[in-house]
Amino acid sequence: QKEVEQNSGPLSVPEGAIASLNCTYSDRGSQSFFWYRQYSGKSPELIMSIYSNGDKEDGRFTAQLNKASQYVSLLIRDSQPSDSATYLCAVSQSGGYQKVTFGTGTKLQVIP
Amino acid sequence: KAGVTQTPRYLIKTRGQQVTLSCSPISGHRSVSWYQQTPGQGLQFLFEYFSETQRNKGNFPGRFSGRQFSNSRSEMNVSTLELGDSALYLCASSFQGNSYNEQFFGPGTRLTVL
Repeated sequence: QKEVEQNSGPLSVPEGAIASLNCTYSDRGSQSFFWYRQYSGKSPELIMSIYSNGDKEDGRFTAQLNKASQYVSLLIRDSQPSDSATYLCAVSQSGGYQKVTFGTGTKLQVIP
Repeated sequence: KAGVTQTPRYLIKTRGQQVTLSCSPISGHRSVSWYQQTPGQGLQFLFEYFSETQRNKGNFPGRFSGRQFSNSRSEMNVSTLELGDSALYLCASSFQGNSYNEQFFGPGTRLTVL
């Protein structure tokens, strides 16, 4: 079982729709969860971090965390063509120092 | 604040050679992590440095090594290059490198091994 799993996609949504990206993780002791956006040929860019159960909103982005189900998601409202990218879920495992495991990413295509 | 910088941005080497990549973290950040990204494997953790000490290491052969300097700048070295080492090498910095800290990535060094 992979430590962090994401559907590779592509996930295609029409412009203006809500895109829903999902991620599951295996380590129950994981403490921190991050979403990165990576455009083709570029490096990952941090867009959201979430640490406790529930929702966290930032502009058009909402991260949702459910530690009991070991599930984290990212919703993108009013999707724009510029949101077309690969979205990486990252999970920081328990321990005093940083050990971050990344999923393989979900490719999102927003169709104009 | 300036972001994470990496040099060089592109490298072409031949099998058997060695290469050194450099990373300068965001000012004030003391933790630097290195990752290898390939289309097939995604982002794979190489190692993490904090205050000049390697605290954590991924599952890579000993040909991959690194170090961190007192100003938090970091280098990674790959010796005896193999074709499979062709990848985008990314470094990421964070403030203290604990599990809650956000990591910020540099632009990466694209290494091609011929």
